[in-house]
Amino acid sequence: QVQLVESGGGLVKPGGSLRLSCTASGFALSEYYMSWIRQAPGKGLEWISYISSSGTAMLHADSVKGRFTVSRDNAKNSLYLQLHSLRPEDTAVYFCARESRGAYFQFEQWGQGTLVTVSS
Amino acid sequence: DIQMTQSPSSLSASVGDRVTITCRASETIRDSLNWYQQKPGKAPNLLIYAASNLQSGVPSRFSGNGSGTDFTVTISSLQPEDFATYYCQQSYGTPPTFGGGTKVE
Repeated sequence: QVQLVESGGGLVKPGGSLRLSCTASGFALSEYYMSWIRQAPGKGLEWISYISSSGTAMLHADSVKGRFTVSRDNAKNSLYLQLHSLRPEDTAVYFCARESRGAYFQFEQWGQGTLVTVSS
Repeated sequence: DIQMTQSPSSLSASVGDRVTITCRASETIRDSLNWYQQKPGKAPNLLIYAASNLQSGVPSRFSGNGSGTDFTVTISSLQPEDFATYYCQQSYGTPPTFGGGTKVE
């Protein structure tokens, strides 16, 4: 069964750091482009990061550039998002998403999400 | 960035109704438009990709149309499990961007 499971969320103070993980099962992560997408409470969806299948190419939204870094370990079937210099407006549920083969930014499989709360 | 505008932001409908949601892009995106359904507390689920293609496992009462800047998703006969929020998303430009959502209640 194809599944993505995020972990690592929690309560952090402004200026703090967190590392989110996304573990894939039922398929080889190495064959897919992946993205992180977040959703603030009661709000819409915001794409924040992309990483190529090999991990050599990465993109980040302007809102997180220089503060967040996406990475992956295909041997562990895992995707990561390192969050630094967190702000209250980063409070959101963070989803990892698998992109369809041959179609950039078409999110065919999502994890259940992990909640990050930035508050003093 | 390409702006995606959905209308309406919410709508009230009954089981059996035909429901149509509109999405407009701020510039042409050809057919690079995807639709997602999201239920409370759950992750979004891909319904339609490339404007008019039904994702595997999605009921045939869902259909998508459009190209360029104007797109629609239609539910031909609303079922109880279809009450949810729907999002459009363009995959033409970087960054990919989402519409604000349409809540069907």
